[in-house]
Amino acid sequence: KNEVEQSPQNLTAQEGEFITINCSYSVGISALHWLQQHPGGGIVSLFMLSSGKKKHGRLIATINIQEKHSSLHITASHPRDSAVYICAVARGSNYKLTFGKGTLLTVNP
Amino acid sequence: EAQVTQNPRYLITVTGKKLTVTCSQNMNHEYMSWYRQDPGLGLRQIYYSMNVEVTDKGDVPEGYKVSRKEKRNFPLILESPSPNQTSLYFCASSLSASGSEQYFGPGTRLTVT
Repeated sequence: KNEVEQSPQNLTAQEGEFITINCSYSVGISALHWLQQHPGGGIVSLFMLSSGKKKHGRLIATINIQEKHSSLHITASHPRDSAVYICAVARGSNYKLTFGKGTLLTVNP
Repeated sequence: EAQVTQNPRYLITVTGKKLTVTCSQNMNHEYMSWYRQDPGLGLRQIYYSMNVEVTDKGDVPEGYKVSRKEKRNFPLILESPSPNQTSLYFCASSLSASGSEQYFGPGTRLTVT
């Protein structure tokens, strides 16, 4: 079993829909990251969380440390949100990172 | 402009020919790391460095070496590349090792024949 599991693996939505991507992990963590990777490869950091909730524009990330679960929400989705979204957990004080396999999101106009 | 640069961006080489992929950041970050990304396996950490002269193995260090002689540079060395090291490589940096946003380089696509 992978230490970091994301669901769903693939997600297709219509423009304007509310999107949720989930990340569950099985190890103790010091922080959790959400990353975005567009076709063509570049990776951008969206959020880093150690507790609670963060919001940036139409994106919201939450984490429940007790349940070992995080969610990434996209409100009013747009075709430019189409990308792979990757969850990564940082383990211990040495900040070793383990990644989920990613969720491919396609938003159709 | 704050950035992480990698060179080369694309490289095709042959088995056994030593190569170095450079990584440089201009943000005075303490923490730097190398990852490889493979279809079906996702991103995996190769090596990381918490500061100058401090490096440690990630999950897939076999066949790779790194050094951190200066804060801004963190080169990845493949002493004797093999075809199973064909991959997309990313360098990243962050302000500290205690948990901060990671900044990724543009990636290096390596093919070993």
